[in-house]
Amino acid sequence: DAKTTQPPSMDCAEGRAANLPCNHSTISGNEYVYWYRQIHSQGPQYIIHGLKNNETNEMASLIITEDRKSSTLILPHATLRDTAVYYCIVSSLNDYKLSFGAGTTVTVRA
Amino acid sequence: GAGVSQSPSNKVTEKGKDVELRCDPISGHTALYWYRQSLGQGLEFLIYFQGNSAPDKSGLPSDRFSAERTGGSVSTLTIQRTQQEDSAVYLCASSAPAGGHNEQFFGPGTRLTVL
Repeated sequence: DAKTTQPPSMDCAEGRAANLPCNHSTISGNEYVYWYRQIHSQGPQYIIHGLKNNETNEMASLIITEDRKSSTLILPHATLRDTAVYYCIVSSLNDYKLSFGAGTTVTVRA
Repeated sequence: GAGVSQSPSNKVTEKGKDVELRCDPISGHTALYWYRQSLGQGLEFLIYFQGNSAPDKSGLPSDRFSAERTGGSVSTLTIQRTQQEDSAVYLCASSAPAGGHNEQFFGPGTRLTVL
């Protein structure tokens, strides 16, 4: 997604929190921030989304800056099974054609 | 509950043959999407079904590709006269009305190899 910028890769120690940044400086007022991940040889998996408030679910937390130009996905206690490519996208609710950029390859190490 | 299922998981075919790929969406999900993902590439949107509305076929790469969704549930993606460049993972997703289009639940995909 050309609207977002993510680091190409990051390592994380098992059991520690993983903080994945995403820049989306051109986000529009009606666009949400969505996070997906794709574990090797599997289909993408929806994680979480938000508009401007911070969000938390059973998988992760999403922290969005007040100006909405960047966000951070937090995996609170990373496990080896969290090793995947993580994608940050911005999209309005009516956009149904998902488009992923290169994402961040997260490797969780024991 | 059951997620999106796709069959077959792998399909190897010869150039020029027709193939059919099946998708069973999550029960109650009215929207269904087909994408493909080539090796090391991002998602490529193919087609979108929403209830009884006319599908958005704008992503189909050629007239060799077609898809249908019967009874608002199961969908079949058909590729006629397959070419080597059709080799990819074909992904199906579905979403619920309340969740919005971007909370899409994906199946495991069908890996298509055209020899």
